[in-house]
Amino acid sequence: DSGVTQTPKHLITATGQRVTLRCSPRSGDLSVYWYQQSLDQGLQFLIQYYNGEERAKGNILERFSAQQFPDLHSELNLSSLELGDSALYFCASSAGLLMVADTQYFGPGTRLTVL
Amino acid sequence: AQSVTQPDIHITVSEGASLELRCNYSYGATPYLFWYVQSPGQGLQLLLKYFSGDTLVQGIKGFEAEFKRSQSSFNLRKPSVHWSDAAEYFCAVVSDSNYQLIWGAGTKLIIKP
Repeated sequence: DSGVTQTPKHLITATGQRVTLRCSPRSGDLSVYWYQQSLDQGLQFLIQYYNGEERAKGNILERFSAQQFPDLHSELNLSSLELGDSALYFCASSAGLLMVADTQYFGPGTRLTVL
Repeated sequence: AQSVTQPDIHITVSEGASLELRCNYSYGATPYLFWYVQSPGQGLQLLLKYFSGDTLVQGIKGFEAEFKRSQSSFNLRKPSVHWSDAAEYFCAVVSDSNYQLIWGAGTKLIIKP
């Protein structure tokens, strides 16, 4: 158990809908990262938050957004969903700002299926 | 752009045999390199990482990796695999543009009894 929790475990929805994925980092970790893992694109970094502020962006679509709240939990919002958004979405957390200095701890993921 | 290549999609190894998983990266300077393992239905767990110094890095679960600059490689090894090592293994390098991880496609390790 990494200490990172993600809810829900599974999510099935329809095209055009909007969903929210939730992540609680390990106690004391200030950075939260979101990743997408799909069969065709593999693992991709989406976005990082550190202590409530956005710090780095990767291949995140404009239809996707995230935020980190004062209690440090984070939410990833996916809107106008398309079939291609079906994937496993991981959250990870680390203690500091620069992941090169820290270990990232991954949650178990949320599997999103868009029908 | 930086990239990470894991040339083997699947590798099958007998239990007790040695293992080497290949990883090649493209990067100009000294890279920051990682190996992660993803067990079925689980998140990713860090096995080991290389930043600088000794090119042979020891990790958890009996794994090690060797950084070879001349070959742009960071191969993962284990002298004797156990059935519990069956999983998918990912190599990653830190991007020099946004300091985030760039991932290889992964190698699925299958253990034969």
